[in-house]
Amino acid sequence: AQSVTQLGSHVSVSEGALVLLRCNYSSSVPPYLFWYVQYPNQGLQLLLKYTTGATLVKGINGFEAEFKKSETSFHLTKPSAHMSDAAEYFCAVSSGGGGSEKLVFGKGTKLTVNP
Amino acid sequence: KAGVTQTPRYLIKTRGQQVTLSCSPISGHRSVSWYQQTPGQGLQFLFEYFSETQRNKGNFPGRFSGRQFSNSRSEMNVSTLELGDSALYLCASSVDRTYNEQFFGPGTRLTVL
Repeated sequence: AQSVTQLGSHVSVSEGALVLLRCNYSSSVPPYLFWYVQYPNQGLQLLLKYTTGATLVKGINGFEAEFKKSETSFHLTKPSAHMSDAAEYFCAVSSGGGGSEKLVFGKGTKLTVNP
Repeated sequence: KAGVTQTPRYLIKTRGQQVTLSCSPISGHRSVSWYQQTPGQGLQFLFEYFSETQRNKGNFPGRFSGRQFSNSRSEMNVSTLELGDSALYLCASSVDRTYNEQFFGPGTRLTVL
């Protein structure tokens, strides 16, 4: 069974500071990993994904994440936070296109950006 | 290209009633998945449909059901509503079952009184 743990349900940063949202996963098969963002009263928007190949993945809005198999981690970073980054972020894992479209999500991390 | 659309956006029902939610995937997408989002349980997978067949199912009671039509549009139905069914129901579509990127709709907010 697959699972995702997001460390920290709430993270607060100052505008211009580094954003680091942590995600650890468990998977018995090579995982596909995703980060989604959710703004209030909206659905989920894909920020970035790792499937195979390069372990450093760049996404939209200046976010990136690095897949570290040895640490079973897929942390999300952004060098400089912007007020518009305030939202809830979800890390998710799937079984890699083996016939299952099921995404398993972490509990989410709510990011606050202070002026 | 239009995104995933869900109707209605908001719904209020009372206990014991049933409800049907609708999802129209992105044009050309054949796989549709449904998720329930609540503050307590987070995002939980309900089921996935592809080519009008349920391919995968989450751990929800039989009161939750769904179907997919030949044009890939999908509906989910919840019968005998309970207070705990109050949630945001999200639909996601993807091209097929080998391409794992899912695109989410804005959701239907169901409130059960």
